[in-house]
Amino acid sequence: SQQGEEDPQALSIQEGENATMNCSYKTSINNLQWYRQNSGRGLVHLILIRSNEREKHSGRLRVTLDTSKKSSSLLITASRAADTASYFCATTGAGGTSYGKLTFGQGTILTVHP
Amino acid sequence: KAGVTQTPRYLIKTRGQQVTLSCSPISGHRSVSWYQQTPGQGLQFLFEYFSETQRNKGNFPGRFSGRQFSNSRSEMNVSTLELGDSALYLCASSLVWQGLDNEQFFGPGTRLTVL
Repeated sequence: SQQGEEDPQALSIQEGENATMNCSYKTSINNLQWYRQNSGRGLVHLILIRSNEREKHSGRLRVTLDTSKKSSSLLITASRAADTASYFCATTGAGGTSYGKLTFGQGTILTVHP
Repeated sequence: KAGVTQTPRYLIKTRGQQVTLSCSPISGHRSVSWYQQTPGQGLQFLFEYFSETQRNKGNFPGRFSGRQFSNSRSEMNVSTLELGDSALYLCASSLVWQGLDNEQFFGPGTRLTVL
């Protein structure tokens, strides 16, 4: 079963617009990561935000984390057609026993139209 | 630095057969995790190996097994294949797994089709 949910399940926008995806999770975490997957291929790591951080930026990406609400959002600014992909949030459970385990959300399918 | 590699990339098997998938992590990475991705269940954790020891296991039947070699390369095996085992199997590696920083880097996956 998945850790949480992502919202929306699908998002369709025009090039140049911003895309916002949300992720909710259920248990305490050490960090939350966002990944991109193009058409059934491997996952590409985008950004990691620690549980003691509230916001992080990387290029056109902005991630926020609200541990009190157990939620995160990923903002992609000035989107491009090449950003078309599925986006997943993944969490690492708090504590020392969740070795090697990322728990993924269901993903958001982003389509950027040229 | 070369990324995570997985072989084979595509595989077709029939029910009842067994299959072995291979993963070579990024050089220097000692933690290797395996995931199964299906349209219905999404991405699910199978197991993790570190220094040839399985440290964590997901909720999969015993038909799914794995191992890690001294060079950190890992294999996973699925015996007595079922139709529901058709999936994309992803391998991921990380330097270590501790603290608040444990990024995983994924390979391209092995697409397994069970007929």
